[in-house]
Amino acid sequence: NAGVTQTPKFRVLKTGQSMTLLCAQDMNHEYMYWYRQDPGMGLRLIHYSVGEGTTAKGEVPDGYNVSRLKKQNFLLGLESAAPSQTSVYFCASSYNGYEAEAFFGQGTRLTVV
Amino acid sequence: SQQGEEDPQALSIQEGENATMNCSYKTSINNLQWYRQNSGRGLVHLILIRSNEREKHSGRLRVTLDTSKKSSSLLITASRAADTASYFCATEGYNQGGKLIFGQGTELSVKP
Repeated sequence: NAGVTQTPKFRVLKTGQSMTLLCAQDMNHEYMYWYRQDPGMGLRLIHYSVGEGTTAKGEVPDGYNVSRLKKQNFLLGLESAAPSQTSVYFCASSYNGYEAEAFFGQGTRLTVV
Repeated sequence: SQQGEEDPQALSIQEGENATMNCSYKTSINNLQWYRQNSGRGLVHLILIRSNEREKHSGRLRVTLDTSKKSSSLLITASRAADTASYFCATEGYNQGGKLIFGQGTELSVKP
């Protein structure tokens, strides 16, 4: 049972490049989340999804887009990367979002130069 | 702004001592959760306490919730070096559709 898997684990981008981070879960969870973690800032919610085909904005959505075409996958896109998006990105999923623990991936360390 | 704010930001204790971390939040919640993060890893769920609960235990962990003060505390008893990690509280806000918002975390160091 893999749980939550993030791809890639590391990436270096040049300013202005685009990329997509993939999150896959095999637990049949309805809710999925994307967070970014910066030193001293804790985790900040970027976007989340409450089911296949749905997405919603979190605390810091600007500069990111997401899609949830399949229940098991949640994609995070950066259309034009900026140095301020250098961070560690975590994906998480939970059964139904209500009183359910979230399971986290191992993170993607992204550096934008 | 973040829903949860944690105190202290960093805590250093000796093995065998108790560690207490506090979390304050701003709006009504359905539940509050605590997570642990080892360096360079993802977060792991520790315990969930519902808004109508006041105290909960899990092994060496004790969590309290005071909704009138909008605060929670996590107590780790008889700490071990292996407890060294960052600890985060997360709140699921009332009528927020399952949105889970994290605090900034407390970095705990347990010295052997």
